[in-house]
Amino acid sequence: EDQVTQSPEALRLQEGESSSLNCSYTVSGLRGLFWYRQDPGKGPEFLFTLYSAGEEKEKERLKATLTKKESFLHITAPKPEDSATYLCAVYSGYALNFGKGTSLLVTP
Amino acid sequence: ETGVTQTPRHLVMGMTNKKSLKCEQHLGHNAMYWYKQSAKKPLELMFVYSLEERVENNSVPSRFSPECPNSSHLFLHLHTLQPEDSALYLCASSQGLQGAEGYTFGSGTRLTVV
Repeated sequence: EDQVTQSPEALRLQEGESSSLNCSYTVSGLRGLFWYRQDPGKGPEFLFTLYSAGEEKEKERLKATLTKKESFLHITAPKPEDSATYLCAVYSGYALNFGKGTSLLVTP
Repeated sequence: ETGVTQTPRHLVMGMTNKKSLKCEQHLGHNAMYWYKQSAKKPLELMFVYSLEERVENNSVPSRFSPECPNSSHLFLHLHTLQPEDSALYLCASSQGLQGAEGYTFGSGTRLTVV
């Protein structure tokens, strides 16, 4: 059975304190690993797609990396506006299968 | 705005009511989805439509009935719901079933069953 597990469940950082979020996955034939950001009261917003081990993508203070078993979302010098829930997902069957997410709070 | 619009944003309904959730996308996508998001749980896939045909029904109770009249509109008809059905219902669309950019989501309908 395809599985996506995210850790930690919640993370509190001070502004400027870099850290990483983890997404481990088990899927038969990876057809893309996706990162989304979700703000309270809104739907998830697409960030990145990664396809193969060793691939990296960056957007502002975020960098996503991929290995054969897991993906990391590195947040460098975060700001309070980076506070959100970060979701990862993989294709399973016809649709995306999501993890529970990591709730990130960045304090000034 | 993401290009996927869901209405209403909030809905309170009794267990004996019948209501419908609406989703409209203006992105020219050809696949649409319903997900349920409950606290402390991952997004749960409910239904998948591709080119207006349902391609997946993820063991959803019959009190949820989807309808996709065209590639731009998706409905979720609700009847005789239970309190545990209270959740955020998210609609999404994509170009193809396994596109490189994943899905575009609406802002969701917050449903409360009383």
